[in-house]
Amino acid sequence: SYELTQPPSVSVSPGQTARITCSGDKLVEKYTSWYQQKPGQAPVMVIFQDMRRPSGIPERFSGSNSGNTATLTISGTQGMDEADYYCQAWDSTACVFGTGTKVTVL
Amino acid sequence: EVRLVESGGGLVQPGGSLRLSCGASGFKFDDYAMHWVRQGPGQGLEWVSGINWNSDRIVYADSVKGRFAVSRDNAKNSLYLQMDNLRPEDAALYYCVKEAVIRVYATQFDDWGQGTPVAVSS
Repeated sequence: SYELTQPPSVSVSPGQTARITCSGDKLVEKYTSWYQQKPGQAPVMVIFQDMRRPSGIPERFSGSNSGNTATLTISGTQGMDEADYYCQAWDSTACVFGTGTKVTVL
Repeated sequence: EVRLVESGGGLVQPGGSLRLSCGASGFKFDDYAMHWVRQGPGQGLEWVSGINWNSDRIVYADSVKGRFAVSRDNAKNSLYLQMDNLRPEDAALYYCVKEAVIRVYATQFDDWGQGTPVAVSS
């Protein structure tokens, strides 16, 4: 079965750039979405189709996808961005989520 | 405003059954594929099942295939998940999730409910 692997944690200082990777076989051939989940809340989509932002998502969130790796970039990270982040793609008709990354803003 | 409200969760013994429901409002329910996604305690997100707008495509994760059954009633704007032969590893918060694109399956998820908890223990 298809797997998406993320680093368990990423630490970033306020105002700096956080990069979260998502690795999967030939991931560039699939669209990747990214979801932010804060404690006790349901996930919220922050990126879809590799790099598109839903309305209401700040411009500091951006995405890219190349080769076997998709990347979520948070520029000028703020304290409110501290959360778990999950990538997601489709293996034919089955949805696959990444292992998740906890972003800590120090 | 889109609203997805799950219900039906609870405590069940191993081997038991539960039926989850999701009431939808704020959008044309019969135009969108819907999914169930679960999250075990302290764990990541796991996709469980998806059903397209007219129920002619139904897909399950391998971990629940043969034990869970997803269905929908478009007249009632409702999504269901019948869970049989439950195992301790099925314990999780179960989210009802809406796809973002009208009449397309396998896009992205733009709306999530708050989840209903399922506990499996003797």
